[in-house]
Amino acid sequence: EPEVTQTPSHQVTQMGQEVILRCVPISNHLYFYWYRQILGQKVEFLVSFYNNEISEKSEIFDDQFSVERPDGSNFTLKIRSTKLEDSAMYFCASIKEVNTEAFFGQGTRLTVV
Amino acid sequence: GQNIDQPTEMTATEGAIVQINCTYQTSGFNGLFWYQQHAGEAPTFLSYNVLDGLEEKGRFSSFLSRSKGYSYLLLKELQMKDSASYLCAVTLRNTNAGKSTFGDGTTLTVKP
Repeated sequence: EPEVTQTPSHQVTQMGQEVILRCVPISNHLYFYWYRQILGQKVEFLVSFYNNEISEKSEIFDDQFSVERPDGSNFTLKIRSTKLEDSAMYFCASIKEVNTEAFFGQGTRLTVV
Repeated sequence: GQNIDQPTEMTATEGAIVQINCTYQTSGFNGLFWYQQHAGEAPTFLSYNVLDGLEEKGRFSSFLSRSKGYSYLLLKELQMKDSASYLCAVTLRNTNAGKSTFGDGTTLTVKP
C-alpha cells in the first residue's frame, strides 16, 4: 500500500539552527500539507501546497518557515533559526483530491535544545 | 474562524459501545473526518461524512447532522487496541487548499 514517508524520524537541534524536514508524498497525490503537533496538544495546520505553490498557510507559518518541492517527489519544510517552542511532532500529509482522506507520514519529532 | 469541540477523555469497557461526539461552528462547512491516533503515531483515517446520516464501516460508524453542526463516532465491540485519541476534523467549501482543521481530540481508554 502506498504511504507517505518522512525523514528523519527524530531530529535534535540547537536553538537558532536551521532544520529541514523531508517528506515523500504518495506519488499520484496532488495536495501536500505540513501539520504540527506539540506534545499533548492538537494537530495544527501549518501549510498546504498545490500546483507547486503554497495554497494556504496558517498564522503559525511565519517567515521562519518555508516549503519546497525541489524535484517532483520530495516535499520539504525548512525551519530557520529554530526556537524552543518549535519542539513538536511534524507530520506531512497528502491527498489525491480536495475533500478526500489525508494520508499522514509517521512524523518527525523535532526537539530544540 | 472555526470552533470544534470534543470531550477530552472517555473511558469504556472492552466489548461495550462508545459514542464520541463532536460539535463544530464554522462558515463554509463541507465535510467532517474522523481519524484515529495512537500515542506517538500518525493519525489514520476512519471515516468521512459530507451528507447527513450514518456511515457504517465494520465496528465503526460515523454520523453527521449539518443543520446541528454535530457528528459522532460510534465504536462497537470495543477492543483494547481501540485505546487511542479520536480526532474530529472539518474541511471547508470553496478552497483549493483541502486542509483539515482538527479538534483537540478525545482520548479513549478501553478497560478490561
